[in-house]
Amino acid sequence: DAGVIQSPRHEVTEMGQEVTLRCKPISGHNSLFWYRQTMMRGLELLIYFNNNVPIDDSGMPEDRFSAKMPNASFSTLKIQPSEPRDSAVYFCASWGTSGRRELFFGEGSRLTVL
Amino acid sequence: KQEVTQIPAALSVPEGENLVLNCSFTDSAIYNLQWFRQDPGKGLTSLLLIQSSQREQTSGRLNASLDKSSGRSTLYIAASQPGDSATYLCAPSGTYKYIFGTGTRLKVLA
Repeated sequence: DAGVIQSPRHEVTEMGQEVTLRCKPISGHNSLFWYRQTMMRGLELLIYFNNNVPIDDSGMPEDRFSAKMPNASFSTLKIQPSEPRDSAVYFCASWGTSGRRELFFGEGSRLTVL
Repeated sequence: KQEVTQIPAALSVPEGENLVLNCSFTDSAIYNLQWFRQDPGKGLTSLLLIQSSQREQTSGRLNASLDKSSGRSTLYIAASQPGDSATYLCAPSGTYKYIFGTGTRLKVLA
């Protein structure tokens, strides 16, 4: 089975540009999470979707960040405008409906904002 | 607010040793606890999931135990190998939010 798929794997952009990160969860999984990992703060939850509906976005750092999940197989995380302090690895993760709540991660998108 | 501490922060051992990685958390009202492995530049790989009604889980050379009342989990790695070199993260969860420790960076020397 395919795991969680993220794109792009690497993104280098200049300050002020719009960045869009993409995620395809594992087929059949109904919960999706976006995390951010930095050396200083470790792994932080940004937003949690259940059945395509945002349930908790309290971790989204500011209005420059937005996330959508238009259907069960696709989600985006957008940063507009980007700033150097947004440089981090952004992970998407999902879990299924079995009740186990075992979290599966994608390979991550490494973002560098110059 | 849940806080997760992992000790030691780094560990370097010769191949073949049995290892103990420790994780402590401040809020014992957890749903699950999951151990992950992260290789450099990669995502997190799930190693073991301990559900709240369980006290331990085993997979191959890995065994994880959970003591909710004391806020502790331990990951045992038997007969360590160079391929075990990675960062190990523990993450207790509430109803949906996993809170991650800062990890133990393990290096197993051949």
